[in-house]
Amino acid sequence: EPEVTQTPSHQVTQMGQEVILRCVPISNHLYFYWYRQILGQKVEFLVSFYNNEISEKSEIFDDQFSVERPDGSNFTLKIRSTKLEDSAMYFCASRAGLSNQPQHFGDGTRLSIL
Amino acid sequence: AQSVTQLGSHVSVSEGALVLLRCNYSSSVPPYLFWYVQYPNQGLQLLLKYTTGATLVKGINGFEAEFKKSETSFHLTKPSAHMSDAAEYFCAVSHYGGSQGNLIFGKGTKLSVKP
Repeated sequence: EPEVTQTPSHQVTQMGQEVILRCVPISNHLYFYWYRQILGQKVEFLVSFYNNEISEKSEIFDDQFSVERPDGSNFTLKIRSTKLEDSAMYFCASRAGLSNQPQHFGDGTRLSIL
Repeated sequence: AQSVTQLGSHVSVSEGALVLLRCNYSSSVPPYLFWYVQYPNQGLQLLLKYTTGATLVKGINGFEAEFKKSETSFHLTKPSAHMSDAAEYFCAVSHYGGSQGNLIFGKGTKLSVKP
């Protein structure tokens, strides 16, 4: 069964550094999402992406965050200048075009900011 | 605004016992509802979903959930717990109108299964 893949599985970065988290969504999916889960807390929506542009973003997704689909397969989340509070598990998800289809999640990237 | 409340952050059952994980939602539009399971160090795996139609939905691993509009609930059940069911379970609501379907998650319920 096709799946969403995320790399790396664990990223350790110094505070203030830029980090890029990578995702390969399921190939025929049209909607792409990033979520994060701070340790011990619930999964929170960050941003959704459709037709090569952001369709919705949460309050968490400030100017330090950006997303890109640089080619036909990758979907990336960039954090420009990381803060300690960015430490979390980041999940990528994708969804097919039909509205009743569920989102499929990757296994996540654990981001640790030192 | 939509929200999801999961009663009980931790539920413990004996192997073979009924599993009941509670979820209540708030939504101003007809909701799409989901249950996801998260095993340690893994991503979120879809258990089941309700969009339209039959209000009792069956999912993987013997789980099912019933959408009750009058109670704004979508509780997850399994008749007989197995050790392999130990995981964290998340209820989520979405609507596919203008928001492109982002999910609002509950805080999760950690299920422990005792031998």
